[in-house]
Amino acid sequence: AQSVAQPEDQVNVAEGNPLTVKCTYSVSGNPYLFWYVQYPNRGLQFLLKYITGDNLVKGSYGFEAEFNKSQTSFHLKKPSALVSDSALYFCAVRDPYSSASKIIFGSGTRLSIRP
Amino acid sequence: GAGVSQSPRYKVAKRGQDVALRCDPISGHVSLFWYQQALGQGPEFLTYFQNEAQLDKSGLPSDRFFAERPEGSVSTLKIQRTQQEDSAVYLCASSLAVSGDSYNEQFFGPGTRLTVL
Repeated sequence: AQSVAQPEDQVNVAEGNPLTVKCTYSVSGNPYLFWYVQYPNRGLQFLLKYITGDNLVKGSYGFEAEFNKSQTSFHLKKPSALVSDSALYFCAVRDPYSSASKIIFGSGTRLSIRP
Repeated sequence: GAGVSQSPRYKVAKRGQDVALRCDPISGHVSLFWYQQALGQGPEFLTYFQNEAQLDKSGLPSDRFFAERPEGSVSTLKIQRTQQEDSAVYLCASSLAVSGDSYNEQFFGPGTRLTVL
């Protein structure tokens, strides 16, 4: 069965420093991978996705993620954090060989950027 | 253009009451999804529609949960005889995806926060 894990409940970073939010996945075949962000009292917003091609994917708000097949990881990164990046981040996976179109979300990582 | 909208934003129900949650997807989006997000957790899949057809309802937790999308646009998630464990945020999402082999990102609504007393 497909699954996704976010090993850190919370990540704390000083403004201006690089940030990494970790994600590992388990799926048969080649996965579709996603990152979403959730701000308080708002719906999830799409950040970026990996379907195929270049392992480094660039997304919204300066975020990027690197697909690593050997480590089954899809970590979210940003070179220089902003206080406004503070939010809840979700990694998600879809098995392209599944007949269902659902995606499976991780439990989320709360990112806190201190000024 | 308008995004996905959901109503009501907040709903308080007494245990045993029936509730109906509405989702207005982005115009032209073929696929529609419902998720349940418990406090401190990631969203969990409930059900999926392609146009008016409910193609996957494997995530519905019990037969008290029912979803419909009769004209292939607006969808309603109904929960009968609500229980305290039904308290959660219910998220609706839509996408352009028209087949299981292609994928477009899902656009989420703000959710309905259901509290069952």
